[in-house]
Formats: sequence, C-alpha cells, structure tokens
Amino acid sequence: ETGVTQSPTHLIKTRGQQVTLRCSSQSGHNTVSWYQQALGQGPQFIFQYYREEENGRGNFPPRFSGLQFPNYSSELNVNALELDDSALYLCASSLVPGSYEQYFGPGTRLTVT
Amino acid sequence: ILNVEQSPQSLHVQEGDSTNFTCSFPSSNFYALHWYRWETAKSPEALFVMTLNGDEKKKGRISATLNTKEGYSYLYIKGSQPEDSATYLCASGGSQGNLIFGKGTKLSVKP
Repeated sequence: ETGVTQSPTHLIKTRGQQVTLRCSSQSGHNTVSWYQQALGQGPQFIFQYYREEENGRGNFPPRFSGLQFPNYSSELNVNALELDDSALYLCASSLVPGSYEQYFGPGTRLTVT
Repeated sequence: ILNVEQSPQSLHVQEGDSTNFTCSFPSSNFYALHWYRWETAKSPEALFVMTLNGDEKKKGRISATLNTKEGYSYLYIKGSQPEDSATYLCASGGSQGNLIFGKGTKLSVKP
C-alpha cells in the first residue's frame, strides 16, 4: 500500500451540484497532485498544491478548485457538476514538486447523473 | 509525438509466456519516465522511474528500458504469472512533477 487514502470511494451527484473529494497524503509529503481519469483514457493532470498554494494547473476550468491543509490532507472541489465530470479522481503525494517518487491513492469514483 | 502513447491497448497471454509493451513519449524537454502497475480497485503502484538515456531497470521478473533520443520505453515481463494481470501505465514526468499518462496496456494472464 502507498499510504495515501481517499474518501469517499464512490459518489453519485446530480448535474449542477457541487462535490468535495478528500485525500490524505503520506506524512511529510508537502506536495499533492490531482488527476482525472475518464473512461478509456489515461489519468489527466488537474492541478498540484505545494505548501498550501496552487503550484501548477492542467487544462481544467476554474470550477475545479483545491485546498491543501497543514496536516497533509487536501480537497478537490468541483462546482456546477457536468455529466462529463463523471470519472475516477486520483490524488498523488510526493515530498516536493518534481520528486521522482509519487504515491497514488486508490481514487474516488464520481458519477454525475 | 505530442502525447504519451502505449501499445498494445490490451494483451492476453498464457501463464509462463514472456511479454513486452511499448510506451512512446515526446523526446524534447525530457525529464523522467515513470511506469506504474495498477490493479483494479487499488492504488497505482510505482514500478520504475527512469531518467537517463539507455537506462535499464529490473524488479524481479519485470524490467524496463529507456531511449530518450527517440522517445520510447519498453516494459518486459518474463514468465508471466496470473498475479501480473493489471493495467500498466507509463507517464512522462515534468520538472514540476505533473505526469502525462498514456492510456495504459491491460494485461491478462491466463493460468
């Protein structure tokens, strides 16, 4: 096991609602990255947080936002959910940005109806 | 090549067969190449991180090679076992740690 946990495991939401997904990083890891894996695709980079600040962002709209807390936990928030947001969301923790070793959680499966 | 591409998409082999799959990635501004093994309902597990052209890494029956000049990496599994059944992901890593993933190769090993 990687020591990275995510909650909840599964979630069903309705279009237009808001959702919060949670990740608990390995202790001491100051960097967390979030990825979205849509059906049939590889994981796509959403954004990265380092020491509680956003440190890079992929091609995702502003309704995808995040928070990182001093206790090595973090959140991914998605507002105004769309059907295409249905996907597996993965978080990955590492010591610092650019670290060769990234440890992934098992993911949260979000279904938007 | 602009994206990370993996082939084949899926592979079915018999127990004991040896197999290999390919990952192609942009060779310009190369930083690192990652291989992950991902079983259903579990966390992706890091297999290798490779940074140098000509790198070869080995972990038990699994090995990988890297060619950064032409932008490809091979993953080899010798004597496949049913427990090797998983999706194998490769990702090109940026200097900030953001990974660009391929779609993966799904391996099924029949007893």
